[in-house]
Amino acid sequence: NAGVTQTPKFRVLKTGQSMTLLCAQDMNHEYMYWYRQDPGMGLRLIHYSVGEGTTAKGEVPDGYNVSRLKKQNFLLGLESAAPSQTSVYFCASSYSAGRSSYNEQFFGPGTRLTVL
Amino acid sequence: DAKTTQPPSMDCAEGRAANLPCNHSTISGNEYVYWYRQIHSQGPQYIIHGLKNNETNEMASLIITEDRKSSTLILPHATLRDTAVYYCIVRLAEYGNKLVFGAGTILRVKS
Repeated sequence: NAGVTQTPKFRVLKTGQSMTLLCAQDMNHEYMYWYRQDPGMGLRLIHYSVGEGTTAKGEVPDGYNVSRLKKQNFLLGLESAAPSQTSVYFCASSYSAGRSSYNEQFFGPGTRLTVL
Repeated sequence: DAKTTQPPSMDCAEGRAANLPCNHSTISGNEYVYWYRQIHSQGPQYIIHGLKNNETNEMASLIITEDRKSSTLILPHATLRDTAVYYCIVRLAEYGNKLVFGAGTILRVKS
């Protein structure tokens, strides 16, 4: 199993450009999450999904959109990138039927995004 | 959500036990204590979780006080690779329940 993978690993954007970050998991997890982490800070939840076709806002959703068209994929979009969105983005997934705890989240390696 | 308080940093000698404390005095009866760690530049990694009883797995032990207002994560024989930020999180174990990461404790294991 590859676990949770993220594409791309690094990206540099100019202000106003758009891009999509892809997260994929092969553990048949129901829930998927997008976090951002700024220097010296803990992770903050952007959006999450509790199942295919469903999404919900997290702590810092402004400026981002997400889609979960397939169970294994969770896409994070930036329509018009701003320097304040320079960060490391982590995707995570959790929960499959039969487990007793739903908060054992498995994280991807992260995407380092710089917006100039 | 119950708030957690952790020391900002700790040092530990290689090969010794690392004991990381966490205070969660407002924890409710059905909230679990979760521990994650984040090694530099990597995604967080789940370590262990517990409700009331002490728990042990291949990575660590979790000791929860009887009143559940505090807990301690124990790495029995710390290695240099255990240098990381350790996060203590209190959450309900329910569908789609989100983890809220605080600042955590920076553990430095030194040779």
